[in-house]
Amino acid sequence: DSGVTQTPKHLITATGQRVTLRCSPRSGDLSVYWYQQSLDQGLQFLIQYYNGEERAKGNILERFSAQQFPDLHSELNLSSLELGDSALYFCASSVRGLAGGETQYFGPGTRLLVL
Amino acid sequence: AQSVTQLDSQVPVFEEAPVELRCNYSSSVSVYLFWYVQYPNQGLQLLLKYLSGSTLVKGINGFEAEFNKSQTSFHLRKPSVHISDTAEYFCAVKQGNTPLVFGKGTRLSVIA
Repeated sequence: DSGVTQTPKHLITATGQRVTLRCSPRSGDLSVYWYQQSLDQGLQFLIQYYNGEERAKGNILERFSAQQFPDLHSELNLSSLELGDSALYFCASSVRGLAGGETQYFGPGTRLLVL
Repeated sequence: AQSVTQLDSQVPVFEEAPVELRCNYSSSVSVYLFWYVQYPNQGLQLLLKYLSGSTLVKGINGFEAEFNKSQTSFHLRKPSVHISDTAEYFCAVKQGNTPLVFGKGTRLSVIA
């Protein structure tokens, strides 16, 4: 158990809908990262937040957005969903941020299926 | 931008045999290197990482990896695998303040 929790574990929805994925980082970690894992693209970095502020952006679509709240939990919002958004979405956390070789601890993921 | 190549998408190996999972990255400029393991229906778990110093890095579950700067490689090895090592293994690289970049993964299947 990494100490990172993600809810829900599974999500099935229809095209055009909007969903929210939730992540609680390890106690004491200030940074939260979101990743998308799909068969064709592999593991792709989406976005990072540090202590409530956006720090880095990767291959995140404009239909997707995220935020980190004062209690440090984070939410990833996916809207106007398409079939191709079906994937496993991971959250990870670390103590500080991107600098150096800090270990990122991964949650169990949310499996999203868009029908 | 950094990239990571995991040369084998699948590696079948008999139980108690040695295994090597290969990883090459694109730049020899100062990097941090990681191996993560993903067991079925679980998140990623750090096996080991190289930050600096000794090029031979020992990790959990008997795994080790060797950093080779001249060949820009970071291959993962285990002298004797168990059935429980069946999983997907990801190599990742990080440079400075940039995000982690992952390889496509290698599926290790240990056969009894």
